[in-house]
Amino acid sequence: GAGVSQTPSNKVTEKGKYVELRCDPISGHTALYWYRQSLGQGPEFLIYFQGTGAADDSGLPNDRFFAVRPEGSVSTLKIQRTERGDSAMYLCASSLLPGMNTGELFFGEGSRLTVL
Amino acid sequence: GENVEQHPSTLSVQEGDSAVIKCTYSDSASNYFPWYKQELGKRPQLIIDIRSNVGEKKDQRIAVTLNKTAKHFSLHITETQPEDSAVYFCAATSGFQKLVFGTGTRLLVSP
Repeated sequence: GAGVSQTPSNKVTEKGKYVELRCDPISGHTALYWYRQSLGQGPEFLIYFQGTGAADDSGLPNDRFFAVRPEGSVSTLKIQRTERGDSAMYLCASSLLPGMNTGELFFGEGSRLTVL
Repeated sequence: GENVEQHPSTLSVQEGDSAVIKCTYSDSASNYFPWYKQELGKRPQLIIDIRSNVGEKKDQRIAVTLNKTAKHFSLHITETQPEDSAVYFCAATSGFQKLVFGTGTRLLVSP
């Protein structure tokens, strides 16, 4: 596709459930980022993949959050035992080269997670 | 780690006026400073960026200035139009690998 694709666009779940959010980056982009955006706030960094490996996962809030990118393309953000405080927009972004060398991050439309 | 502060949180201007949004950052090693525009319900999109070896950059009605000594950078929009209404985020690199974003400025341009 032409841009970063995220599914689902909306996810409503109950407290304690497990959710997976998927990101399909722009073809050929080696760098992939997950951000979380709460209402009225800026995107908050969660994790950065360079190829298949997580180069920086310092933004993951706790061990309920995990992300994978097994083939260096599609990534899945996994949240276990969801809590109401996890409700937010989860944004995925990709960049052509590792790090910030090329500058621009291309964001997806996001997955809005609501935990009841 | 990097900390980015942004103000004002809201800014209302009349069409045709100029708008200025300011950000400060904490990490003197930061070397890349982009600005993103996010319309309601849409994805953030890059509108302009500047690297630390440049003091000013302009693209039509928008410009960004950077003061490395003071660790602050600003977005300037001239001749504002109603379609400029959106939330604007500044950001700065942290550890050369990721962006840290400000809290956003909601710009409202009234006709």
